[in-house]
Amino acid sequence: GAVVSQHPSWVICKSGTSVKIECRSLDFQATTMFWYRQFPKQSLMLMATSNEGSKATYEQGVEKDKFLINHASLTLSTLTVTSAHPEDSSFYICSALKSGGAYNEQFFGPGTRLTVL
Amino acid sequence: GNSVTQMEGPVTLSEEAFLTINCTYTATGYPSLFWYVQYPGEGLQLLLKATKADDKGSNKGFEATYRKETTSFHLEKGSVQVSDSAVYFCALSEQGNEKLTFGTGTRLTIIP
Repeated sequence: GAVVSQHPSWVICKSGTSVKIECRSLDFQATTMFWYRQFPKQSLMLMATSNEGSKATYEQGVEKDKFLINHASLTLSTLTVTSAHPEDSSFYICSALKSGGAYNEQFFGPGTRLTVL
Repeated sequence: GNSVTQMEGPVTLSEEAFLTINCTYTATGYPSLFWYVQYPGEGLQLLLKATKADDKGSNKGFEATYRKETTSFHLEKGSVQVSDSAVYFCALSEQGNEKLTFGTGTRLTIIP
């Protein structure tokens, strides 16, 4: 299989501070990674597509200046929540796209629980 | 836009019971359809998929058939086990696009 990790698994921060979440593909290279946000009892909502070596593509309604995405290598993408506020509290999930073979497949990290006080 | 509607949970069944989790979708064109499973403390894992009408995806005893006429992709298993307890997500992607649109997830609990 393919393994994707996220760090940290949970974080609590004060309002106004910034938080960085890492997403790593441990045993494969990923040109493309995705960042999702999940509210309680709701579906995963795609926030942005992260492309190695280029700017991320954000979904409609997602503030790119608030959710900074950097995909500096083929195994690491980071999501930084800037000037966090309580409404940013959520479960953030990343996935990495493994290409090749019969078809491409997204492999998901275990998620990061962010709580903003 | 695209959307996925799946059966609300939680669903609780006894071991060896028959399972159905309903999923319907709205999409333009001919999307690919997926079921993902999330076990406690783990990331989502692809359970099965189907890429065209009448295709049947199957894995670990689970099955789902791509029904274009009813825009459905219901998940079934003939005899569930305690180890099947997890959250199940139905999802779709448009042809030629890797982006996934998810349903809300259904929490399944199997009791011995």
